[in-house]
Amino acid sequence: LAKTTQPISMDSYEGQEVNITCSHNNIATNDYITWYQQFPSQGPRFIIQGYKTKVTNEVASLFIPADRKSSTLSLPRVSLSDTAVYYCLVPVISGNTGKLIFGQGTTLQVKP
Amino acid sequence: ETGVTQSPTHLIKTRGQQVTLRCSSQSGHNTVSWYQQALGQGPQFIFQYYREEENGRGNFPPRFSGLQFPNYSSELNVNALELDDSALYLCASGDITNEKLFFGSGTQLSVL
Repeated sequence: LAKTTQPISMDSYEGQEVNITCSHNNIATNDYITWYQQFPSQGPRFIIQGYKTKVTNEVASLFIPADRKSSTLSLPRVSLSDTAVYYCLVPVISGNTGKLIFGQGTTLQVKP
Repeated sequence: ETGVTQSPTHLIKTRGQQVTLRCSSQSGHNTVSWYQQALGQGPQFIFQYYREEENGRGNFPPRFSGLQFPNYSSELNVNALELDDSALYLCASGDITNEKLFFGSGTQLSVL
């Protein structure tokens, strides 16, 4: 079963680039990697999803090496409002998109 | 806005009672998933419904049950409430073909 490992917490300062790396050694061939952001008392919010190489949207970039055993979420020039918990997910059962398991995530604290 | 709404936002029950939580999914989505989130933890997968049938279940007892209706609404029912059921309950809708879920803001359940 695929499982993800990511740092419990990270600190940064406003204006810096933040990179959060997630390992998923047992990811299956056809599975995508998905990242979510969660603020207190709110549901998680989809940030970005990727399969390989690099994906970029208006919020973040996702870097995935060729072996796909890890991925890095990159947040450019963070602000205080980026303080949140970030989750990296892969399907627990390959091809079964229904069973998404959230770990503890990475709590990012952005300081002024 | 995710287009997913949950009701009520807050609820207080006593041990042994039954509770029904409601969710209105985004139009066009064919899956609805329910998650339980305790304070300081990541969301825990309860189950997913696809085309009105349970499509996957996490490690939750049978007293947690659900329904999905054709009009994009769904319910989570919990019988014989226990103190440990106190948590934020999140509903998420999506498409069976990918991991992009749209979460509601949740129902905060307190069991006394």
